[in-house]
Amino acid sequence: DAGVTQSPTHLIKTRGQQVTLRCSPKSGHDTVSWYQQALGQGPQFIFQYYEEEERQRGNFPDRFSGHQFPNYSSELNVNALLLGDSALYLCASSLAQLHERTDTQYFGPGTRLTVL
Amino acid sequence: AQKITQTQPGMFVQEKEAVTLDCTYDTSDPSYGLFWYKQPSSGEMIFLIYQGSYDQQNATEGRYSLNFQKARKSANLVISASQLGDSAMYFCAMTHPTGGGNKLTFGTGTQLKVEL
Repeated sequence: DAGVTQSPTHLIKTRGQQVTLRCSPKSGHDTVSWYQQALGQGPQFIFQYYEEEERQRGNFPDRFSGHQFPNYSSELNVNALLLGDSALYLCASSLAQLHERTDTQYFGPGTRLTVL
Repeated sequence: AQKITQTQPGMFVQEKEAVTLDCTYDTSDPSYGLFWYKQPSSGEMIFLIYQGSYDQQNATEGRYSLNFQKARKSANLVISASQLGDSAMYFCAMTHPTGGGNKLTFGTGTQLKVEL
């Protein structure tokens, strides 16, 4: 049973560039969430995708955008990179249980982005 | 707004001893979920245990148990018989279903070090 996978593992970009991060959810999961974790801090929620639509968004600027594909995989795009975007980007997947109180999110290994 | 507070930046415990990691939360919603995740130095966030706000009994998963005190809004993680491999960062997190989304709100984490 494959877990959540993310690519690439590491990425180095310069200010002003654009980056695309990819995530494949755990088998059987249909919901993907993205988090940003700066060094020494807890993860911060960016957004969540379900049925190819963004259904919840955190407090991040429009430079951060995403997409979910019919196979449930997802991409996170960041435009006009800033030094402050350097962080570990975590993808999490879950199964939407619309009649349950909650659904556990399982995380991938993350993509470490460095902006120079 | 939801908030998670972890007041212990770092903890030390002897191998084979039990350790309690503190977590308090703040929410006005009656329905919510509480989670603990472990993050080794590799970066991947590993799900440990879940407690629902309506659950009558404390959750247990192997050596992990969650001491849920609803009136005090606390959800402490207890690790019994600590092992060297338990050395990692531990995050408490909360979610509540709203508008179809279930974003996780994380605390700042506790760095646990298990010593011989």
